[in-house]
Amino acid sequence: KQEVTQIPAALSVPEGENLVLNCSFTDSAIYNLQWFRQDPGKGLTSLLLIQSSQREQTSGRLNASLDKSSGRSTLYIAASQPGDSATYLCAVLLQGAQKLVFGQGTRLTINP
Amino acid sequence: NAGVTQTPKFQVLKTGQSMTLQCAQDMNHNSMYWYRQDPGMGLRLIYYSASEGTTDKGEVPNGYNVSRLNKREFSLRLESAAPSQTSVYFCASSDVGYTEAFFGQGTRLTVV
Repeated sequence: KQEVTQIPAALSVPEGENLVLNCSFTDSAIYNLQWFRQDPGKGLTSLLLIQSSQREQTSGRLNASLDKSSGRSTLYIAASQPGDSATYLCAVLLQGAQKLVFGQGTRLTINP
Repeated sequence: NAGVTQTPKFQVLKTGQSMTLQCAQDMNHNSMYWYRQDPGMGLRLIYYSASEGTTDKGEVPNGYNVSRLNKREFSLRLESAAPSQTSVYFCASSDVGYTEAFFGQGTRLTVV
């Protein structure tokens, strides 16, 4: 059974810092890995999608990496801003069953 | 381009009542999903449909039924609502391998 784990569960940092969020998964038979953002009381917004054959993807201040062999992904946020405060979730799309399995998320707070 | 549309956005039910949550996507995706999100539990998969005409159970299917009406629409039915089904329900769609998963805005359901 695929399990997705995100560490830490919560993170609080001062504005301007660079930070890394972690995601690990137990089964490497995935099509892709996706990072989402969720603001309180809202739906999920896709941030980055990494195909299983790729190593990383970048969008603005965000960079996501994927190491499928070790079952790890990281989301790097550069020069953090208070507007980055949200819950960040990673999800893997499984091969075969085509299930989308989520981690529990990291609640990020950026302090002005 | 609407993406994934869920109805209703809010609903209050009495214990034992039934209701159907509707979901439609306009991206021609093959796979569709229903999740529930509860505090501290993350997103848990209820049912999913990898293609038109197929449905499979996720982690927490008890008390729910689904129908993949056509490629666009995937509905979730609660036959006899229970207070434990109070949650926020999200519908999502994706396609194999190369596309992002997209989420609806959610249905906030309260069972009293």
